Amino acid sequence: SQQGEEDPQALSIQEGENATMNCSYKTSINNLQWYRQNSGRGLVHLILIRSNEREKHSGRLRVTLDTSKKSSSLLITASRAADTASYFCATVPNDMRFGAGTRLTVKP
Amino acid sequence: GAVVSQHPSRVICKSGTSVKIECRSLDFQATTMFWYRQFPKQSLMLMATSNEGSKATYEQGVEKDKFLINHASLTLSTLTVTSAHPEDSSFYICSARETGGIYGSPLHFGNGTRLTVT
Repeated sequence: SQQGEEDPQALSIQEGENATMNCSYKTSINNLQWYRQNSGRGLVHLILIRSNEREKHSGRLRVTLDTSKKSSSLLITASRAADTASYFCATVPNDMRFGAGTRLTVKP
Repeated sequence: GAVVSQHPSRVICKSGTSVKIECRSLDFQATTMFWYRQFPKQSLMLMATSNEGSKATYEQGVEKDKFLINHASLTLSTLTVTSAHPEDSSFYICSARETGGIYGSPLHFGNGTRLTVT
């Protein structure tokens, strides 16, 4: 497949805990992006990491990229109920295609 | 930030009728827009790539005569579901890529249209 694939499919945690989700891909990339989708809404861009970067932070988000393993991880620290959503990774090129995503549920 | 407006957000139509969904980039120009279909708790399935001034490119298995796409301007793409049937009921989402943006810049998404065909 040309798109990234997220893992796990579903993740349920308590508020305040950290959430980690992973993305694997198969081809060479220019950059990798993470998106969030709240139920019944469109996708919202969260963070972009370039192929020459290994780690990037944005607020409570931390993204890592390992191009040798063709994988990325998204860490959400101190999760909140409002973080409940589906999360998708997208790789450039082919960032118009998406995998199944990770459905994160944060329980209050 | 870049905003994509998708309209309507919800529509209910009778079987056999056609429905038009609009995707509009409000503060940027978009040479390329994408249309998706999403079933409950599933991923976005890319239906077609819409290019301004030219014919859309459809993904394998998507009926181009059923899902008509028009991208007549740099800020508007429309998806018309023709002769809708209950199995066309779904969540349709569009996204847009900013013209002239840095290579690999993020896509901007509309908030989707919930289509119910009765």
